[in-house]
Amino acid sequence: DVKVTQSSRYLVKRTGEKVFLECVQDMDHENMFWYRQDPGLGLRLIYFSYDVKMKEKGDIPEGYSVSREKKERFSLILESASTNQTSMYLCASSATSATGELFFGEGSRLTVL
Amino acid sequence: AQSVTQPDIHITVSEGASLELRCNYSYGATPYLFWYVQSPGQGLQLLLKYFSGDTLVQGIKGFEAEFKRSQSSFNLRKPSVHWSDAAEYFCAVGDNFNKFYFGSGTKLNVKP
Repeated sequence: DVKVTQSSRYLVKRTGEKVFLECVQDMDHENMFWYRQDPGLGLRLIYFSYDVKMKEKGDIPEGYSVSREKKERFSLILESASTNQTSMYLCASSATSATGELFFGEGSRLTVL
Repeated sequence: AQSVTQPDIHITVSEGASLELRCNYSYGATPYLFWYVQSPGQGLQLLLKYFSGDTLVQGIKGFEAEFKRSQSSFNLRKPSVHWSDAAEYFCAVGDNFNKFYFGSGTKLNVKP
């Protein structure tokens, strides 16, 4: 069964802390994505990566960075967490093809106090 | 710029009634269209997708959607809703560069 695994389902951090959100996929997909989900705003793309060590900014990259050292793993980093980064974070992957759909992890709910 | 609009934030239907969730998109080329469902506290699961060919597509759990190019719409339908269909539904459009754009979602409540 195909799987996208996010290491932490729930996190509570303090303002100013560095936060790592990890995502691993077992489908050998080229593309990986980080989305942020907030009520009424749907899913907003933070960063995506189409290859190892490659990354591109999405619609809301400010305050975030990413790392992709291996094909199966895509990490989202909050260098200095702020309360407005309290949200649900969703990782997804897809194959590079015209018909490649997104496969999602279960999400990581981050609360910044 | 690409965009997806889901005009209904919340919808409530009775169990056994029919359902239609609306989705309109803005995209310059032939779109790749998707519907996803999200149960509370979970990630998103693909219901169905459209790339080309027959404009009426069938998906899982008895859902179907119809692509209407003239109306830039991709509405999701189900003839008879079950209580387990209560969830949030997202419409999305994919471009040729493997990027996806999501609507803001429609929350479905099902009355017994």
